[in-house]
Amino acid sequence: DTGVSQNPRHKITKRGQNVTFRCDPISEHNRLYWYRQTLGQGPEFLTYFQNEAQLEKSRLLSDRFSAERPKGSFSTLEIQRTEQGDSAMYLCASSLDDPAEAFFGQGTRLTVV
Amino acid sequence: GDSVTQMEGPVTLSEEAFLTINCTYTATGYPSLFWYVQYPGEGLQLLLKATKADDKGSNKGFEATYRKETTSFHLEKGSVQVSDSAVYFCALSAYSSASKIIFGSGTRLSIRP
Repeated sequence: DTGVSQNPRHKITKRGQNVTFRCDPISEHNRLYWYRQTLGQGPEFLTYFQNEAQLEKSRLLSDRFSAERPKGSFSTLEIQRTEQGDSAMYLCASSLDDPAEAFFGQGTRLTVV
Repeated sequence: GDSVTQMEGPVTLSEEAFLTINCTYTATGYPSLFWYVQYPGEGLQLLLKATKADDKGSNKGFEATYRKETTSFHLEKGSVQVSDSAVYFCALSAYSSASKIIFGSGTRLSIRP
């Protein structure tokens, strides 16, 4: 296992388009997290899955955002009707029981033009 | 709400210099405290942690002590190396939600040979 994998690494999209990102966690990890990081800031929590159940969502996650983890393995994060303010690095992480021991992927950088 | 404030960067030091990166926090209850590091081109990774007052976390020559009386968790290293150049994030595990990590804005550290 090579760690947490995120695809694509970079995405440029026009405002109003939908985008979907994929995260493949470390295989034995039951917890999966999505964070968003804007330039010059630390990561901000978006949502968390335990196996296939989405157990917590930040108020940062507007109705245009949806995340799934259908079989408790990989996860997808979809943003509908993208806005320029959605431009950020989207980070995925996975862990066993302790979120502080999470392994982070290298992120997907989204640019909305 | 819970938050982390850390020293703004960038910080530039010569090799073998002493490093301090200040971090203070605001939290209800008794959070766990962490330092994460992001090396160029790599994902975020946990550097060290402390889970209760007066605990000292240490790793790779870095240390930080959980000071409840000053709500601080300053990162220190006695002699930095060029390979320590990275972005460092102070963080806490929120009492209100054990599933997420709250990050500071990060401090970029550059070490001159």
